[in-house]
Amino acid sequence: GENVEQHPSTLSVQEGDSAVIKCTYSDSASNYFPWYKQELGKGPQLIIDIRSNVGEKKDQRIAVTLNKTAKHFSLHITETQPEDSAVYFCAARLINEKLTFGTGTRLTIIP
Amino acid sequence: SQTIHQWPATLVQPVGSPLSLECTVEGTSNPNLYWYRQAAGRGLQLLFYSVGIGQISSEVPQNLSASRPQDRQFILSSKKLLLSDSGFYLCAWSEEPRANYGYTFGSGTRLTVV
Repeated sequence: GENVEQHPSTLSVQEGDSAVIKCTYSDSASNYFPWYKQELGKGPQLIIDIRSNVGEKKDQRIAVTLNKTAKHFSLHITETQPEDSAVYFCAARLINEKLTFGTGTRLTIIP
Repeated sequence: SQTIHQWPATLVQPVGSPLSLECTVEGTSNPNLYWYRQAAGRGLQLLFYSVGIGQISSEVPQNLSASRPQDRQFILSSKKLLLSDSGFYLCAWSEEPRANYGYTFGSGTRLTVV
């Protein structure tokens, strides 16, 4: 089955700087890659996703890039703000299969 | 629009007591439903998933069970809780796998077994 590795497990960034979280996946047939943000005491919320026919997708301060050849994808958050502090999960999915999640990254924005 | 409801939000139960957590989805039909558990500071562990009424698949052996008595209702149960059952329980739904979209999570239940 699919295996997703996520790094780093914790990340501290000065407010206003950029944050990058990286994930690798094992099955080259995976074609859907969502990112979730989980705030303390809440359920994960989808913040951005990308499909394998696209290399990059942006939504305001967040962007996701996908390198199918290397089988890795990354979340980029620019101009970080205190409200960006949360746990972020990447995931990968093959059609007709379940989502496979990464182990999460705890992002702390330092004021 | 689709919404997912999960309750209760918090629960404190003694060891050996029963458990029933409920999850309902509105605005869609025949969703795929999932129960996840999250230990403090840890990742998402898939416990059960269901593709239809009465169809339950278990991912890990444990003290818990799941049922789907109606199309949009998913219940997580235990006959006798253990201390190790403490955690944050999340219900999620998705479209059928062919659609290949992400999951939508509920707000979670914080279970503390004492």
